[in-house]
Amino acid sequence: AQTVTQSQPEMSVQEAETVTLSCTYDTSENNYYLFWYKQPPSRQMILVIRQEAYKQQNATENRFSVNFQKAAKSFSLKISDSQLGDTAMYFCAFTSGTYKYIFGTGTRLKVLA
Amino acid sequence: NAGVMQNPRHLVRRRGQEARLRCSPMKGHSHVYWYRQLPEEGLKFMVYLQKENIIDESGMPKERFSAEFPKEGPSILRIQQVVRGDSAAYFCASSTWRRDSYYEQYFGPGTRLTVT
Repeated sequence: AQTVTQSQPEMSVQEAETVTLSCTYDTSENNYYLFWYKQPPSRQMILVIRQEAYKQQNATENRFSVNFQKAAKSFSLKISDSQLGDTAMYFCAFTSGTYKYIFGTGTRLKVLA
Repeated sequence: NAGVMQNPRHLVRRRGQEARLRCSPMKGHSHVYWYRQLPEEGLKFMVYLQKENIIDESGMPKERFSAEFPKEGPSILRIQQVVRGDSAAYFCASSTWRRDSYYEQYFGPGTRLTVT
């Protein structure tokens, strides 16, 4: 069975500092896609960043970047220059190319002023 | 281009009543997915529909839950005789046909169902 694990229920970071959220997954597929979603208090699911497993280069979107370690099945999210607006739940998600997205249980991130 | 729309955003039902959740996909999208998020958990897949067809309902409870996506109008997730355990946030997502080897799904804002 395919699973996604986020082992950090809560994290906090000082404004302007850097924080890394962890995610591991389990699959026997060779080609798949990984995502990080942000869920602010409004509960809207916002796609932060996407990584295709066949690409070796780590994805980057402005202050957000990932460290994708395919052999270790690890997919961590780094947020640089943290801002108060980054306070939210962050979900790691996986799909092997079917329509089912599998989500982790989330990490609650609080950015402190 | 309007995103995925869901209504109502908040729904309160008493035990035993029916809940109807609506989802209008993004323009041009013909695939709809429903996910449920229980408190303090991630989203879990419930059902995948195309126009007038249920493709996969493997994540949906066998009883009291049903979903449809008619030729005209929004997709409906229907929960009959609600119980307190149905209290959750229900998210709808939509996509076009398979592209780039996966179905890129766009999520709506969710409906928070509270059963009293």
